[in-house]
Amino acid sequence: SQQGEEDPQALSIQEGENATMNCSYKTSINNLQWYRQNSGRGLVHLILIRSNEREKHSGRLRVTLDTSKKSSSLLITASRAADTASYFCATDTSLGGDKLIFGTGTRLQVFP
Amino acid sequence: DGGITQSPKYLFRKEGQNVTLSCEQNLNHDAMYWYRQDPGQGLRLIYYSQIVNDFQKGDIAEGYSVSREKKESFPLTVTSAQKNPTAFYLCASTQGGFSNQPQHFGDGTRLSIL
Repeated sequence: SQQGEEDPQALSIQEGENATMNCSYKTSINNLQWYRQNSGRGLVHLILIRSNEREKHSGRLRVTLDTSKKSSSLLITASRAADTASYFCATDTSLGGDKLIFGTGTRLQVFP
Repeated sequence: DGGITQSPKYLFRKEGQNVTLSCEQNLNHDAMYWYRQDPGQGLRLIYYSQIVNDFQKGDIAEGYSVSREKKESFPLTVTSAQKNPTAFYLCASTQGGFSNQPQHFGDGTRLSIL
């Protein structure tokens, strides 16, 4: 079962533009994570935001979390061609357990 | 450098054959996970293990088996009972095995049917 749904499924932008990806989930969570996957490679952890946090920054990344809407967004500012990848959100559930449930991902293409 | 090593990178399976995918980590992590990724899809959990000699089924365990005899190793066997094994398989690990920890991933094994 997949908890997270990313939107849009695919996004194409020019270098220097900002990219925003959204994630919606179904059940209450303790935390939400964002990962990046380059083509044919494993996932790389980007950022974790807890349910009592509303916003978190890491370099050019900004993540927001709205637990009332069960949604999160990932903003990449001043994008670069090297940001081209798929981005996934992953959630736990407040029901407990130690598993992550991954969304379907957003494919980001940044053109030079 | 610490990390997760998956091998082989590409694997081909014949009809009726079992194949084993290797996953080794030198991060001293307690928990290890196996995921399956189909084209354009997210990750689905096959099996996970929080401690040596113990493991639990994930969402799609049928047709797969695992073992956890050593902390650093978590091999996955794709059995002949798995009728649609073609996919990208990813192994991951976390410290403590809790969902509030980042997962570290290997670079995957791509399995195809001959």
